[in-house]
Amino acid sequence: GQSLEQPSEVTAVEGAIVQINCTYQTSGFYGLSWYQQHDGGAPTFLSYNALDGLEETGRFSSFLSRSDSYGYLLLQELQMKDSASYFCAVSMDSSYKLIFGSGTRLLVRP
Amino acid sequence: DAGVTQSPTHLIKTRGQQVTLRCSPKSGHDTVSWYQQALGQGPQFIFQYYEEEERQRGNFPDRFSGHQFPNYSSELNVNALLLGDSALYLCASSLIDRTYEQYFGPGTRLTVT
Repeated sequence: GQSLEQPSEVTAVEGAIVQINCTYQTSGFYGLSWYQQHDGGAPTFLSYNALDGLEETGRFSSFLSRSDSYGYLLLQELQMKDSASYFCAVSMDSSYKLIFGSGTRLLVRP
Repeated sequence: DAGVTQSPTHLIKTRGQQVTLRCSPKSGHDTVSWYQQALGQGPQFIFQYYEEEERQRGNFPDRFSGHQFPNYSSELNVNALLLGDSALYLCASSLIDRTYEQYFGPGTRLTVT
């Protein structure tokens, strides 16, 4: 089977940096995606890592270590609008489906 | 450029009834996936359609079925509704070779009473 683990909740201060971790156990891992979902909204794609290393997209960066079955999403210069739920999702090898984690709720305080 | 659209927005059904949800993908996308999201949980994969065929299926019973039309739009049908089917149903579209990058619609909130 497949499983993904993320912290359920993280709190940080506006302007700070926060890291949201994701560990996974899957057979046939292909890549790790990150999605953001505001309350009442739809998930939106943030980033994707298929290879080890860091991918940077503006204030957001995502990291993957395939050997450790671990990845993280790094949010810099936190803004109030970053308060949302963040999901990691695994793409399976030779498959087309995404398996989502249960999500991390990020609360940014002034 | 229209994004992913879903209808209806909200729906209330009675246990045992049947429901059909509809989705139009983002322009240029050829693949549609359906997800069920319970409150406070991540989206759970139901199935995915490409070239009018079901390509992958998650751990959902046969009561859940779908269809993709030649214009890439899709329907999700749920028969014999149970109280536990109450959830947000999300449709997402993508390109078949970039299914890690999915564009989600606003969802249909289904309540079964």
